[in-house]
Amino acid sequence: DADVTQTPRNRITKTGKRIMLECSQTKGHDRMYWYRQDPGLGLQLIYYSFDVKDINKGEISDGYSVSRQAQAKFSLSLESAIPNQTALYFCATSDLIVGQRSNTGELFFGEGSRLTVL
Amino acid sequence: QQQVKQSPQSLIVQKGGISIINCAYENTAFDYFPWYQQFPGKGPALLIAIRPDVSEKKEGRFTISFNKSAKQFSLHIMDSQPGDSATYFCAATSGGYQKVTFGTGTKLQVIP
Repeated sequence: DADVTQTPRNRITKTGKRIMLECSQTKGHDRMYWYRQDPGLGLQLIYYSFDVKDINKGEISDGYSVSRQAQAKFSLSLESAIPNQTALYFCATSDLIVGQRSNTGELFFGEGSRLTVL
Repeated sequence: QQQVKQSPQSLIVQKGGISIINCAYENTAFDYFPWYQQFPGKGPALLIAIRPDVSEKKEGRFTISFNKSAKQFSLHIMDSQPGDSATYFCAATSGGYQKVTFGTGTKLQVIP
């Protein structure tokens, strides 16, 4: 089983619909992230969370909201989907051990959720 | 505003050749520079990374060259193989590794 699991993997929806993308992880990491990937734009950070009580906006948070239900679960919602939110969405986790020099902040990604908004 | 600029957007290399991808950054607070490799249908995965206190890091056929004064770094793939065909992202992060800033990606195709 994958360490970072995203559901659904593919979703087609219509403009104005509410959509939730879910992410669960078994890595035991505190930090979780949602990224959006568009051709030619790379990976852009939507929201990130360093623990259950900590939620932060990323570069492109407008039109999105998140919920950190537990250490292992982080969901992304589009309250009213629009066509320019058509993209590939990735959830990622990372870990950081306080005081450890070898910390790298390596990101561990899920396999992505492809969303199409018609 | 793109804090990490990556080029080229796409690259075609013959098997056995050298693939070179370049990145430049503006924020001098960046202190860790990873490269991620993404195969079709998969999420990105860490390939190799460098800290700015060294000018080069090599792992197998993959080498990062880092020029701190020019604020540039590059990925070299020696003896490129068809299995290296993927999208490569350079990235940068600063103290605490709170956020990773990615480049726009390079789609590499290695042809036999």
